[in-house]
Amino acid sequence: QQQVKQSPQSLIVQKGGISIINCAYENTAFDYFPWYQQFPGKGPALLIAIRPDVSEKKEGRFTISFNKSAKQFSLHIMDSQPGDSATYFCAASRDNYGQNFVFGPGTRLSVLP
Amino acid sequence: GAVVSQHPSWVICKSGTSVKIECRSLDFQATTMFWYRQFPKQSLMLMATSNEGSKATYEQGVEKDKFLINHASLTLSTLTVTSAHPEDSSFYICSAGSYGYTFGSGTRLTVV
Repeated sequence: QQQVKQSPQSLIVQKGGISIINCAYENTAFDYFPWYQQFPGKGPALLIAIRPDVSEKKEGRFTISFNKSAKQFSLHIMDSQPGDSATYFCAASRDNYGQNFVFGPGTRLSVLP
Repeated sequence: GAVVSQHPSWVICKSGTSVKIECRSLDFQATTMFWYRQFPKQSLMLMATSNEGSKATYEQGVEKDKFLINHASLTLSTLTVTSAHPEDSSFYICSAGSYGYTFGSGTRLTVV
């Protein structure tokens, strides 16, 4: 119940394409869902986050879609760029302050020039 | 704002020695900090929750005597890997602040 599932494990996209990463959870007590970008040898950096009372949130080229009934959420990266090549993690918070996270297993994104 | 500094960024130590990793909140006070461990090409796993002025809360399966956590001030938490062995080699990351804003840059520990 504490797990967050993530797919695909790896993704290759052409420059300018759309990258889509999907996550699913079981615990309905989760109430904050961030996405992180991590480059090799670095800590994760928050990209965008959403709460269950919103179905979609967009920030620049990044969009989260949230389906509360299906307990699924996804990250869309529009106009993908080679600089977006990184590992992406979805996560879910299990406390009231968005601090204590369960992470998905990660998706390694490669954007080809 | 909300900057977390982690030091050192990498460390190599001999088997049997202890290593201390520092996590500092630079521009805010953090009553709670979190320590994660990440193996190559794997996800982040929460090890423990560090609470200022009190004992840390460890996740199931994490040896509290091996991974000593001290959170003596509102801006500093330390993780000490005691009697390190090669299997402790990993990437250790701390985080602080609300709503997932800030993770440290990580510490690559290699035990030889």
